[in-house]
Amino acid sequence: GENVEQHPSTLSVQEGDSAVIKCTYSDSASNYFPWYKQELGKRPQLIIDIRSNVGEKKDQRIAVTLNKTAKHFSLHITETQPEDSAVYFCAARTSGTYKYIFGTGTRLKVLA
Amino acid sequence: DAMVIQNPRYQVTQFGKPVTLSCSQTLNHNVMYWYQQKSSQAPKLLFHYYDKDFNNEADTPDNFQSRRPNTSFCFLDIRSPGLGDAAMYLCATSRETGLDTQYFGPGTRLTVL
Repeated sequence: GENVEQHPSTLSVQEGDSAVIKCTYSDSASNYFPWYKQELGKRPQLIIDIRSNVGEKKDQRIAVTLNKTAKHFSLHITETQPEDSAVYFCAARTSGTYKYIFGTGTRLKVLA
Repeated sequence: DAMVIQNPRYQVTQFGKPVTLSCSQTLNHNVMYWYQQKSSQAPKLLFHYYDKDFNNEADTPDNFQSRRPNTSFCFLDIRSPGLGDAAMYLCATSRETGLDTQYFGPGTRLTVL
């Protein structure tokens, strides 16, 4: 079955700097890759997603890139702000299944 | 407007006392999920339904059961809660087509005394 590895587990950046979180998946049939932001005590919230027929997607300060050959995808946050501090999870969904396999999460701290 | 609703938001139970958590959705999605999440760990899938077709994860303890009486509602029953079952329980839904996100409920925080 699918396995998703996520790195780093914690990341501290200065306000205004960029943050990059990387995930690697194992199942080449995975075709949908969402990223979730989760603040303490709250539900995971989708911040951006990418489908396997696209290599890059951007939404203001957030972007996701996908390399299908290498089976990895990355979240890029530019001009980080203190409110970006949270735990971020990547996930992968394999074609033909209804299951989302989550990465282990990255705790991002943006230092003011 | 709330799309995935979970009740209660906070539940306190005693060791061994059965508890039921509920989830309802207004999205008319075919697929519903129950996750257990502890201390900023990744959500751990317990089971999911496609319509009434129940799919249990291999490592979900027998202590956890689920019911889905109709499209809108899904329940999580914990027959004999242990201290290790204290966690946030998240319900989620998704469309069957696959190329779309899950929609999470706000979660139920379970405390076991």
